[in-house]
Amino acid sequence: QVQLVESGGGVVQPGRSLRLSCAGSGFTFSGNAMHWIRQAPGKGLEWVAVISNDGGNKHYADSVKGRFTISRDNSRNTLSLQMNSLTTEDTAVYYCARDQTAYGDYYFDFWGQGTLVTVSS
Amino acid sequence: DIQMTQSPSSLSASVGDRVTITCRASQSTISYLNWYQQKPGKAPKLLISGASSLQSGVPSRFSGSGSGTDFTLTISSLQPEDFATYYCQQSYSTPPTFGQGTRVEI
Repeated sequence: QVQLVESGGGVVQPGRSLRLSCAGSGFTFSGNAMHWIRQAPGKGLEWVAVISNDGGNKHYADSVKGRFTISRDNSRNTLSLQMNSLTTEDTAVYYCARDQTAYGDYYFDFWGQGTLVTVSS
Repeated sequence: DIQMTQSPSSLSASVGDRVTITCRASQSTISYLNWYQQKPGKAPKLLISGASSLQSGVPSRFSGSGSGTDFTLTISSLQPEDFATYYCQQSYSTPPTFGQGTRVEI
């Protein structure tokens, strides 16, 4: 069965960096675009970034553009999110999610359990 | 960005009730509209894609309808496990955007 497992969350000071990872299994990881989506405590869902199946195309939400970088290693079935210059506004549970297509149809058929990032001094 | 607005923000219902949640887009999304269910402390789960296509394994009491700017999620007979928050999401244009959520509670 499809499984997505995030890791790397934690408490970090404003201005610092953090790298999240998502390990995929139970499907052909290189066949699907992948997304990061976040949810601030008690709030709704916000799409963060997408990467195509081969890593050749990436898109970001304006709120993270220039600070976050999405990447993937298909040989290790791993998706990553490098987060720099973090602010308190970035505090959220971060989910990785699978797209049904290779390039990105922008809907999310499987989600990981999420990893909490807390930005606080 | 396309703004998605759900109504109501919350509702109280009983087991067996018919429940309807509405989602309105700020511009047409044709039928690129998806519905998710989220239970406390859990990840969202895709229920319906393309406005009306039920995902595999999702009970048939869930249904979706609509096109253009106005969409509806209907639960025909509410079950105890359906108490959750529901989100609509447009996948017509980038960035994909979500409604604010509708909390279904007892």
